[in-house]
Amino acid sequence: GENVEQHPSTLSVQEGDSAVIKCTYSDSASNYFPWYKQELGKGPQLIIDIRSNVGEKKDQRIAVTLNKTAKHFSLHITETQPEDSAVYFCALRSSNYKLTFGKGTLLTVNP
Amino acid sequence: DADVTQTPRNRITKTGKRIMLECSQTKGHDRMYWYRQDPGLGLRLIYYSFDVKDINKGEISDGYSVSRQAQAKFSLSLESAIPNQTALYFCATSVSVQETQYFGPGTRLLVL
Repeated sequence: GENVEQHPSTLSVQEGDSAVIKCTYSDSASNYFPWYKQELGKGPQLIIDIRSNVGEKKDQRIAVTLNKTAKHFSLHITETQPEDSAVYFCALRSSNYKLTFGKGTLLTVNP
Repeated sequence: DADVTQTPRNRITKTGKRIMLECSQTKGHDRMYWYRQDPGLGLRLIYYSFDVKDINKGEISDGYSVSRQAQAKFSLSLESAIPNQTALYFCATSVSVQETQYFGPGTRLLVL
């Protein structure tokens, strides 16, 4: 099946700094790339997604970029706040129409 | 997401017992999914259902079975629980295969 590599597995930043998480994939037919945030004791929640016909999408402090040629997409969080601390998962919809998830990144924002 | 509920939220059981995890949704979505989450392994798909009469195996279906009792209900069963089935289990829904999946709050299962 489709494989998604997510890096880093842990990320610690100071409040106000930016955080970047990157995912790489191999199936060139993938066309939908969501990012989920999971807070402690809760289920994953969609925070932003991008489709293959665009290269970048922004929503306030969060942005996602997609490079289809290089087969990678990244989550960018600017001006990080303590409440951004959580586990973040990238995912993609592969040619078999199922979502495949990365293994997650634990983001810690230090006050 | 409050529109997707899972019961129980926590469960402790013993090896060899049969247990059922239940998922209900009020979103009106036709597609439902069961995932398992283990530390460092992300979310792995167990089973999925595109409508009431459709059931499909995911990547880790061995040892599990499911039942889609209605459009809004999708249950996961462990026929004979074993310790390596200790994990967090999530139900998810989507309105179609083209759209986002919405997750429930999860069930934490411990098999002794």
